[in-house]
Amino acid sequence: AQSVTQLGSHVSVSEGALVLLRCNYSSSVPPYLFWYVQYPNQGLQLLLKYTTGATLVKGINGFEAEFKKSETSFHLTKPSAHMSDAAEYFCAVYNTNAGKSTFGDGTTLTVKP
Amino acid sequence: DTAVSQTPKYLVTQMGNDKSIKCEQNLGHDTMYWYKQDSKKFLKIMFSYNNKELIINETVPNRFSPKSPDKAHLNLHINSLELGDSAVYFCASSQGRGGTEAFFGQGTRLTVV
Repeated sequence: AQSVTQLGSHVSVSEGALVLLRCNYSSSVPPYLFWYVQYPNQGLQLLLKYTTGATLVKGINGFEAEFKKSETSFHLTKPSAHMSDAAEYFCAVYNTNAGKSTFGDGTTLTVKP
Repeated sequence: DTAVSQTPKYLVTQMGNDKSIKCEQNLGHDTMYWYKQDSKKFLKIMFSYNNKELIINETVPNRFSPKSPDKAHLNLHINSLELGDSAVYFCASSQGRGGTEAFFGQGTRLTVV
């Protein structure tokens, strides 16, 4: 079985501050990991993904995430938050055996001026 | 040019009615999905089709029936609508069976009154 846990359903940062959104996963096989962003009244959009290879993955809008197998984590970071980063963020794990993705419960990011 | 398009965007209907949501993708993908996002923004997969074949059928009431006339279309028909069916329904597509990123539609906000 696979699962995803996003620690912190709400994260609030000041504009210009570091953004850190936490994601831990469990998977019985090497996982494919994804971060998606959902802006209000829109569908999900891929930020970045990890499949194999380099464990530090860079995505769009200045976000990056590091796959740490020993910690079963795939935390999302951005050095400096922008007001436009305010959105809902979802971590997801794809299990090749199950043939489907499981999404975390989401983290709402608020950016204060 | 919209990649994954859903219609309608909003749907308000009375309990007991039957309604359909349509989805089309022009990305040439061979896998399509229906997801349900509840009021707490939790995202759960409902169904997945690969080349018109049903490959994922989660624990969903049989009032929900997906239909894929071709690999570019996946419709969702819901019979005897209930209050608890109120949610945002997202259609998505991907190349392959899910190990790659999914492209999401804008969502259909269904409200059952």
